[in-house]
Amino acid sequence: NAGVTQTPKFQVLKTGQSMTLQCAQDMNHNSMYWYRQDPGMGLRLIYYSASEGTTDKGEVPNGYNVSRLNKREFSLRLESAAPSQTSVYFCASSGGTGVSGANVLTFGAGSRLTVL
Amino acid sequence: TQLLEQSPQFLSIQEGENLTVYCNSSSVFSSLQWYRQEPGEGPVLLVTVVTGGEVKKLKRLTFQFGDARKDSSLHITAAQPGDTGLYLCAPRGYSGAGSYQLTFGKGTKLSVIP
Repeated sequence: NAGVTQTPKFQVLKTGQSMTLQCAQDMNHNSMYWYRQDPGMGLRLIYYSASEGTTDKGEVPNGYNVSRLNKREFSLRLESAAPSQTSVYFCASSGGTGVSGANVLTFGAGSRLTVL
Repeated sequence: TQLLEQSPQFLSIQEGENLTVYCNSSSVFSSLQWYRQEPGEGPVLLVTVVTGGEVKKLKRLTFQFGDARKDSSLHITAAQPGDTGLYLCAPRGYSGAGSYQLTFGKGTKLSVIP
């Protein structure tokens, strides 16, 4: 089982360039998420999609856009990259509520982005 | 704004030692999850605790949810090098507009030295 697949694994951009991080899950999950992880900051939610056709802002949405292309795919776009967006980005998916409403997240392996 | 603190931030111990890491908050949560993240990988769920006072065991790992559902602890007995990683607590709380979301702590980075 592939689970959650992210591409690319590594990317170097120059300030002002644009790029899209791709994420796909094969678990038929309804919800998908994008997080960023920075040293000493933990995982912070950028955007999420509770179901196909919906997207909502998380804690740190500025500078990002997302597209829920279909139930399987959720992409994250940086329109004009800035050095502050240097981070490791994780995509995750969830089948919705599990035990007493607890979301269980399955994460991808991460995409390491450096903006020069 | 809820405050979520994990302690210690870093922990380096010898193989065979016991350890406890903590996750504390000012808010009450409906449930709490612990994840472990290894270098170059995404976090992987270890356990979900739901009921105040609940204790769950996963081999040498013991998880406890505080009676007031504001805090949790993870105790590892006889640590092994394979336990090395970043341990993240993730409480689930109300985020507004009828939505519940997970909030991740900054984590405890554990190194177990052979």
